[in-house]
Amino acid sequence: GAGVSQTPSNKVTEKGKYVELRCDPISGHTALYWYRQSLGQGPEFLIYFQGTGAADDSGLPNDRFFAVRPEGSVSTLKIQRTERGDSAVYLCASSSLGGAPDEQFFGPGTRLTVL
Amino acid sequence: AQSVAQPEDQVNVAEGNPLTVKCTYSVSGNPYLFWYVQYPNRGLQFLLKYITGDNLVKGSYGFEAEFNKSQTSFHLKKPSALVSDSALYFCAVRDRDFGNEKLTFGTGTRLTIIP
Repeated sequence: GAGVSQTPSNKVTEKGKYVELRCDPISGHTALYWYRQSLGQGPEFLIYFQGTGAADDSGLPNDRFFAVRPEGSVSTLKIQRTERGDSAVYLCASSSLGGAPDEQFFGPGTRLTVL
Repeated sequence: AQSVAQPEDQVNVAEGNPLTVKCTYSVSGNPYLFWYVQYPNRGLQFLLKYITGDNLVKGSYGFEAEFNKSQTSFHLKKPSALVSDSALYFCAVRDRDFGNEKLTFGTGTRLTIIP
């Protein structure tokens, strides 16, 4: 079946601009996660959705970052007033949360470059 | 709090030899532990997980990992390395506290299998 998809695969923007990154999880997965991976680092947790609500947003670095999942499926990560330090690969993952702690399935990521 | 350490940035192994990629963790309670692999230009792929039960966990592509509670370790192993195993490997931990869904990743270990 189809895996997690993310669009765009690459995004180049200028400092101060607004960007939106989209994630389409595996069909039927109720949990959705956003992570950020900087060069040479492991992924860092940003936010977790259970259904439509953000159950844990403790990883969002500041109020320029916001994410929504209005219908409990597709999610959008929004970054306002982008800074050069926001450049990274943004990863989305989903899981079914079927009782046992399920593994998270990751998408290919969106590479964001802020000039 | 939860954290993971991967003490080796790079591991080189001759093809056909056994391989080990090291991981140690820290959590308040009991952990869920995961290994993921990342190939160039591809997303993170799940390899295996430890939830409970047998300390030796078997996963995809012939990999296995041993949970050692006294040493707080979860090393990844394979009896005979293949050139195609060359990739970036990430260990991840999740504390079992109810409602905690976020994974904390290590910084990754680049495994190179030498023909």
